[in-house]
Amino acid sequence: SQQGEEDPQALSIQEGENATMNCSYKTSINNLQWYRQNSGRGLVHLILIRSNEREKHSGRLRVTLDTSKKSSSLLITASRAADTASYFCATTDSWGKFQFGAGTQVVVTP
Amino acid sequence: AAGVIQSPRHLIKEKRETATLKCYPIPRHDTVYWYQQGPGQDPQFLISFYEKMQSDKGSIPDRFSAQQFSDYHSELNMSSLELGDSALYFCASSTSWGASTYEQYFGPGTRLTVT
Repeated sequence: SQQGEEDPQALSIQEGENATMNCSYKTSINNLQWYRQNSGRGLVHLILIRSNEREKHSGRLRVTLDTSKKSSSLLITASRAADTASYFCATTDSWGKFQFGAGTQVVVTP
Repeated sequence: AAGVIQSPRHLIKEKRETATLKCYPIPRHDTVYWYQQGPGQDPQFLISFYEKMQSDKGSIPDRFSAQQFSDYHSELNMSSLELGDSALYFCASSTSWGASTYEQYFGPGTRLTVT
């Protein structure tokens, strides 16, 4: 299995609901980043959280990091149809090695 | 702000042909990374360059080669193309100076279709 595994693999919610997805990793990391990708499009950087941070907010996004459990969560509050996308976590270790997780596909229905 | 530029954005090639993808990093970024993303898959790291030298290698086939030039742009050369090479190819750049974050900035990708 690979670094940066995510669950759930797919998530279907209605507009206004919150979406939570998790990412687990195996090695020590320098930071963890979350990306969004609309179908067949480029990767959009959402947020970066460093290994010495526990929580970070950006607009409707909230990211937590638990280095003892080697896991992170991304919460999207008050979701909108435009949030429909795949969300990837990616880790960077102390050597700068960067690795993506498998991604969570989120579908927000109006 | 300037972003990572990739060209071409779309490319259609036939089996056994050769393709060259180009990546222009954000100014003052000295590190370039290449990723391949197949349909419905997560991006897979191919190769990276720092200061024109290969810094890391991932799952890059022997048929592929890449280099970084003196102006820091990078080219990914793909030969003897196979149908399975059809994918979205991303380039990302970062700066290593004072690197405590290694935040990578991604380009829009090149969609390669091999027929």
